[in-house]
Amino acid sequence: GAVVSQHPSRVICKSGTSVKIECRSLDFQATTMFWYRQFPKQSLMLMATSNEGSKATYEQGVEKDKFLINHASLTLSTLTVTSAHPEDSSFYICSASDPGLSRGEQYFGPGTRLTVT
Amino acid sequence: AQSVTQLGSHVSVSEGALVLLRCNYSSSVPPYLFWYVQYPNQGLQLLLKYTSAATLVKGINGFEAEFKKSETSFHLTKPSAHMSDAAEYFCAVSAYSGGGADGLTFGKGTHLIIQP
Repeated sequence: GAVVSQHPSRVICKSGTSVKIECRSLDFQATTMFWYRQFPKQSLMLMATSNEGSKATYEQGVEKDKFLINHASLTLSTLTVTSAHPEDSSFYICSASDPGLSRGEQYFGPGTRLTVT
Repeated sequence: AQSVTQLGSHVSVSEGALVLLRCNYSSSVPPYLFWYVQYPNQGLQLLLKYTSAATLVKGINGFEAEFKKSETSFHLTKPSAHMSDAAEYFCAVSAYSGGGADGLTFGKGTHLIIQP
């Protein structure tokens, strides 16, 4: 089956610094990638949708200048949390879709746990 | 806009008993519906999906779900619970009609506990 990887799986950073999370589709070309955020013991919230080669579409309430998303190739999307603060600590999960999938269907990565101290 | 409601943040059943996890949705367009399972500190694994074909959908690990439009429900069931079924379960809806890929709206999740 299709595999989506994320790197790193865990990251700890100091308040005020930036951190980059990578999401890769390993065995298929992902025309669209999604970024979700999951707080402890809560549901996933869609942050943004990115299509290869174009600007990401952010959900209402998500700061685009704080959460920079780049989808430069069909196999790689990155999420950069800029000037991170403790409230940005969360579990970030990416997913990827290709044209062969049903609407809404996507493959999920294993997630990245970000802790901001 | 669409939404998903999962009744019961925690459900506890005995090993071998019926598992029933409830999901109701709201959507202004015909929905596609999904059930995912999440094990601790891991990503999501697709259990099954409804994409406007058969209303009774069979998935992996013995799970199935029935789409009931009149009740706006998509409840997940499994006839006999196994200890390995203990996990977090999420119901999700895709209700975008504009074509192209679509992000999902998730319910709050149901933590399934299996009693030995």
